[in-house]
Amino acid sequence: TQLLEQSPQFLSIQEGENLTVYCNSSSVFSSLQWYRQEPGEGPVLLVTVVTGGEVKKLKRLTFQFGDARKDSSLHITAAQPGDTGLYLCAGALEETSGSRLTFGEGTQLTVNP
Amino acid sequence: DAGVTQSPTHLIKTRGQQVTLRCSPKSGHDTVSWYQQALGQGPQFIFQYYEEEERQRGNFPDRFSGHQFPNYSSELNVNALLLGDSALYLCASSFQGPVEKLFFGSGTQLSVL
Repeated sequence: TQLLEQSPQFLSIQEGENLTVYCNSSSVFSSLQWYRQEPGEGPVLLVTVVTGGEVKKLKRLTFQFGDARKDSSLHITAAQPGDTGLYLCAGALEETSGSRLTFGEGTQLTVNP
Repeated sequence: DAGVTQSPTHLIKTRGQQVTLRCSPKSGHDTVSWYQQALGQGPQFIFQYYEEEERQRGNFPDRFSGHQFPNYSSELNVNALLLGDSALYLCASSFQGPVEKLFFGSGTQLSVL
């Protein structure tokens, strides 16, 4: 059983469309991070959320941390081909250090021009 | 400012052999964590080194061992390689704190034949 469930696993959309990726768990996380990974590269940190209910915006990307700190979402507005990549959510459980992350399996996003 | 560097980038080994992967953390970082990423999956935590000691360990057998040097660089050793050890091995560095931001290297792609 995956501790962090990400959905959808694959997403293929047209340029200009909006999309939301979900990350759910039954466990409580002290912090949750979103990463983007491209082929042959390591994940690159997009955002860290630490407070329940927190919303962070990064240009066209909006990240939300659930009130109970068990789930998160990533919303992309007006997707562009450059947004294509593997999006990973990762959480730090309360009883572990912040660098021990539990990752979801990722959402492979393809934005077609 | 160099980021996290890993070597080698690619490696091919046969079953039963031993392998050593190397990582230099980002300047100013004191903690190194290692992750294994199988094809199509999210990274899985192997272990973390801080102050030259293994501080936390994931669910990996003793065949996986590591070391951290006084300059904070780190090595990951895997003995008695199995086919299932084929994966992308990622090193991430961070600075100890309540919420750690991880910076990943590009990884070492290990193929076990």
